[in-house]
Amino acid sequence: QQQVKQSPQSLIVQKGGISIINCAYENTAFDYFPWYQQFPGKGPALLIAIRPDVSEKKEGRFTISFNKSAKQFSLHIMDSQPGDSATYFCAASPFTGGGNKLTFGTGTQLKVEL
Amino acid sequence: DTEVTQTPKHLVMGMTNKKSLKCEQHMGHRAMYWYKQKAKKPPELMFVYSYEKLSINESVPSRFSPECPNSSLLNLHLHALQPEDSALYLCASSQHPAGTGGRETQYFGPGTRLLVL
Repeated sequence: QQQVKQSPQSLIVQKGGISIINCAYENTAFDYFPWYQQFPGKGPALLIAIRPDVSEKKEGRFTISFNKSAKQFSLHIMDSQPGDSATYFCAASPFTGGGNKLTFGTGTQLKVEL
Repeated sequence: DTEVTQTPKHLVMGMTNKKSLKCEQHMGHRAMYWYKQKAKKPPELMFVYSYEKLSINESVPSRFSPECPNSSLLNLHLHALQPEDSALYLCASSQHPAGTGGRETQYFGPGTRLLVL
């Protein structure tokens, strides 16, 4: 029940295209959903995060869509650029009793081709 | 400034060595974390410190010993490691301590790449 399932495992998108990464969870106590971007040899960097009281959050080219009833959330990268090529992790943490423990998805390796 | 710094960047050690990893943040954060990350895998939580006290130990072997000397520093002491302990070790911090509720953004450092021979 603590898992966060992430798909696809890898993704190749043409420059200017839309990259879509999906995550699903079971634990209804989760109520904070960040996305992290990680470049090779670097630590994960927070990209964008959402709370379940909103269905969508947009920051620049990055949008999170959240479906509370389906327990699913997704990251959309509009106008994908080669510089977006990285590994993306979705994550979730519970509001109480979780000790601020992040449960990470398995990661998606995104490659944006010219 | 949302910077977490880690030293060293790379570390090679033998199985009988003793070494330490260091992490520092000056954001006034009161929660600090150690994670282990294997290649192409997500980070795995090892330890959480809240107000300089160890609050979570995810059943980590005793050859890993964390220490939080003050609110800005976090160390991970390594002794008698095994080759399978080779990984990227990440430090993170968040503004509020664990247990006060989730929704706290964790900021990660660049990590220490550890190789155990």
